[in-house]
Amino acid sequence: DAKTTQPTSMDCAEGRAANLPCNHSTISGNEYVYWYRQIHSQGPQYIIHGLKNNETNEMASLIITEDRKSSTLILPHATLRDTAVYYCIVRVVGLNTGNQFYFGTGTSLTVIP
Amino acid sequence: NAGVMQNPRHLVRRRGQEARLRCSPMKGHSHVYWYRQLPEEGLKFMVYLQKENIIDESGMPKERFSAEFPKEGPSILRIQQVVRGDSAAYFCASSPLDTQYFGPGTRLTVL
Repeated sequence: DAKTTQPTSMDCAEGRAANLPCNHSTISGNEYVYWYRQIHSQGPQYIIHGLKNNETNEMASLIITEDRKSSTLILPHATLRDTAVYYCIVRVVGLNTGNQFYFGTGTSLTVIP
Repeated sequence: NAGVMQNPRHLVRRRGQEARLRCSPMKGHSHVYWYRQLPEEGLKFMVYLQKENIIDESGMPKERFSAEFPKEGPSILRIQQVVRGDSAAYFCASSPLDTQYFGPGTRLTVL
């Protein structure tokens, strides 16, 4: 269901860049890649999304490979507050459905002091 | 602009009782999604609604669960005759069209 594959967990030193990979080899041409994160038991927080071009906002950068089969979320200067589970999601738009999001198990990122 | 509101934040019910979870979307958002998260698991899609219409309920159990999003007022997720397996965090998300913004969730505990 999830259509994405992420490492289960990663560590990153505080102040360094955190690079979180995601494979989505079966992505269709009109499907977007979204990234969310969930800090502890809070509601998921939107980070960024993209179709094929690289994207950047105040939180992160999203690098999508040219064949769109994988992407990387980059947190340029990780802080302790970035410790969370990060979900890479492919947005499926069906004929009679909405923008269903399939959440996998995500990557548990731990930022180490 | 207030974010997505959910209430109650915590709900305790005994087996067989009914649980009603409310979700007020962000202003201007006409799309509402409900997800369930069991402990140590990812979020699972349950139902997608637009005003007064259920668009997709493929993730919702056929029995005991229902959802509505009336013309006026919040979206309601209703669970009848709750069982212990219904204990979970229930998240609502609203969307203007594509990006979904999540509420803080309702944690349901069934005793």
